[in-house]
Amino acid sequence: SQQGEEDPQALSIQEGENATMNCSYKTSINNLQWYRQNSGRGLVHLILIRSNEREKHSGRLRVTLDTSKKSSSLLITASRAADTASYFCATPAYDKIIFGKGTRLHILP
Amino acid sequence: ETGVTQTPRHLVMGMTNKKSLKCEQHLGHNAMYWYKQSAKKPLELMFVYNFKEQTENNSVPSRFSPECPNSSHLFLHLHTLQPEDSALYLCASSQDLAGGHNEQFFGPGTRLTVL
Repeated sequence: SQQGEEDPQALSIQEGENATMNCSYKTSINNLQWYRQNSGRGLVHLILIRSNEREKHSGRLRVTLDTSKKSSSLLITASRAADTASYFCATPAYDKIIFGKGTRLHILP
Repeated sequence: ETGVTQTPRHLVMGMTNKKSLKCEQHLGHNAMYWYKQSAKKPLELMFVYNFKEQTENNSVPSRFSPECPNSSHLFLHLHTLQPEDSALYLCASSQDLAGGHNEQFFGPGTRLTVL
């Protein structure tokens, strides 16, 4: 099934450092989305990148998409304690989107 | 918080109880979704509604019964649940289905514990 897989599963970094998460998927897509989930809460949409885009920015977030490698990355620069959360990539499948298992990011003080 | 609300936020029920989860979206969206999130598992899509019509039932057991009386409200009726049904149940909405192009807006979830 079409499902993104995030890597790593978990990541701990010091506050102020950059965090990079990757997502790989199996079949061709026309867009890819990234979401954040704080512990026990709903998901929040971060960014959508289309297949004709290679890079997209939103504040401290930078998302890249490499359709030839079927992969995407999410970079969070100058991390803050509030960035501690799980991050999911989501790929379209017919009329729905499929979420990966997520990367758990922990920002250390 | 987003324009999607869910009640209750926490629910503890016995296996013989009947309860309902409620979701309401104030965004004017046409599509609504129920997801189940269990520990160490990917987010599982349960049901999809578009313009009040169910478009997907992802092989969900009949002890879960959805209801969508209008485009703004979505219910999940629960009866004779099992302990393994304990999870975070998330409701989401999007402008329409649109082949996965639209972002989804999530509610805060209902943490369900089945004893």
